[in-house]
Amino acid sequence: DVKVTQSSRYLVKRTGEKVFLECVQDMDHENMFWYRQDPGLGLRLIYFSYDVKMKEKGDIPEGYSVSREKKERFSLILESASTNQTSMYLCASTPGQGIVGANVLTFGAGSRLTVL
Amino acid sequence: RKEVEQDPGPFNVPEGATVAFNCTYSNSASQSFFWYRQDCRKEPKLLMSVYSSGNEDGRFTAQLNRASQYISLLIRDSKLSDSATYLCVVNDGVGTASKLTFGTGTRLQVTL
Repeated sequence: DVKVTQSSRYLVKRTGEKVFLECVQDMDHENMFWYRQDPGLGLRLIYFSYDVKMKEKGDIPEGYSVSREKKERFSLILESASTNQTSMYLCASTPGQGIVGANVLTFGAGSRLTVL
Repeated sequence: RKEVEQDPGPFNVPEGATVAFNCTYSNSASQSFFWYRQDCRKEPKLLMSVYSSGNEDGRFTAQLNRASQYISLLIRDSKLSDSATYLCVVNDGVGTASKLTFGTGTRLQVTL
């Protein structure tokens, strides 16, 4: 069973703080993703990564950065948190091309961030 | 027009009822389609992929209509445990999950 683990379920931070959200997957998946989910807006892609040290912007990358130093770990960084970044953050992974279920996302349990 | 559009609901149905959700998509070149289920305060999980010929998994049937650009999910004999939000997901790329676009979800509440 693929497992995607997000280190923090709930965080409360202050405006201007630097925030790290960590995500680890244990099934050697190639691709990893960070989404945020907001009521009425659905899931929106922030950043994704197809390989170690590789990253691509999603639909809403502004205010975020990412790091993928190891295949199993994908971190989302908010350099200076703002109140409009209060949201549910979901990490996900997919196996990659050529594998059955290549595009099926497996999600972590989510990190609910509140920025005051 | 949104890229992927769903009726947000909620759909309130009694146990045992049959309920259907539709999802429309705007990109005619979309490649693959999925239904995910999301329970309250939980992460989305794959319910089923949607194949061109339509597919069935127990009480769940998914259909694709490329001409009209919609996919549907039919749930027969609804159970209380089916209460959740159902997310329609469309992949516009070939082999690239980066182009997965999510609908905002349809909420289903099954009651006694």
